[in-house]
Amino acid sequence: QQQVKQSPQSLIVQKGGISIINCAYENTAFDYFPWYQQFPGKGPALLIAIRPDVSEKKEGRFTISFNKSAKQFSLHIMDSQPGDSATYFCAAADSNSGYALNFGKGTSLLVTP
Amino acid sequence: ETGVTQTPRHLVMGMTNKKSLKCEQHLGHNAMYWYKQSAKKPLELMFVYNFKEQTENNSVPSRFSPECPNSSHLFLHLHTLQPEDSALYLCASSQEVRPLGLFFGEGSRLTVL
Repeated sequence: QQQVKQSPQSLIVQKGGISIINCAYENTAFDYFPWYQQFPGKGPALLIAIRPDVSEKKEGRFTISFNKSAKQFSLHIMDSQPGDSATYFCAAADSNSGYALNFGKGTSLLVTP
Repeated sequence: ETGVTQTPRHLVMGMTNKKSLKCEQHLGHNAMYWYKQSAKKPLELMFVYNFKEQTENNSVPSRFSPECPNSSHLFLHLHTLQPEDSALYLCASSQEVRPLGLFFGEGSRLTVL
């Protein structure tokens, strides 16, 4: 059973636009929600993460929005650049009782010039 | 060398071969992980080691055999693999056995003929 559902599978955005990737989860014990960025030929790298005690976290052009009641969270990339073209993975975990990150299937983002 | 280093980066093997993947972390972390990344599927946790002790075997077939001689090195020994085992194998490390602050290597791309 997939613990985290991610959409869309792929996304094309023009340079300067906003990229939005959505994730949903079921396990209410999850309390840690990171996003990873993976470029071709590289391993995933932690981009930004949020805890459920806040509804939004912003780091530069990247923002996580979190809706605890809906059990959904999303990544917004403002002013998207061609260098942002990569695969993005959301994940969720119960940081107190486990060590497994439950990943979504990933979203392939292409930012066109 | 910095971060998490994996060798070889690419490996092609027949189903009767025996090979090993190597991972080394230069971050001073105590926990190390093997993940499997297949196309269109979420990253799958395979094994977890904490201070050289295996703490998780996520129902992985016995044809995959991990070894952790110390907290900086992790191996994945492969024998009699199947074509469906072809994937990107990612090593990761963290300060402690928790899903926070996971650092990934660049992966070993395995092709089983």
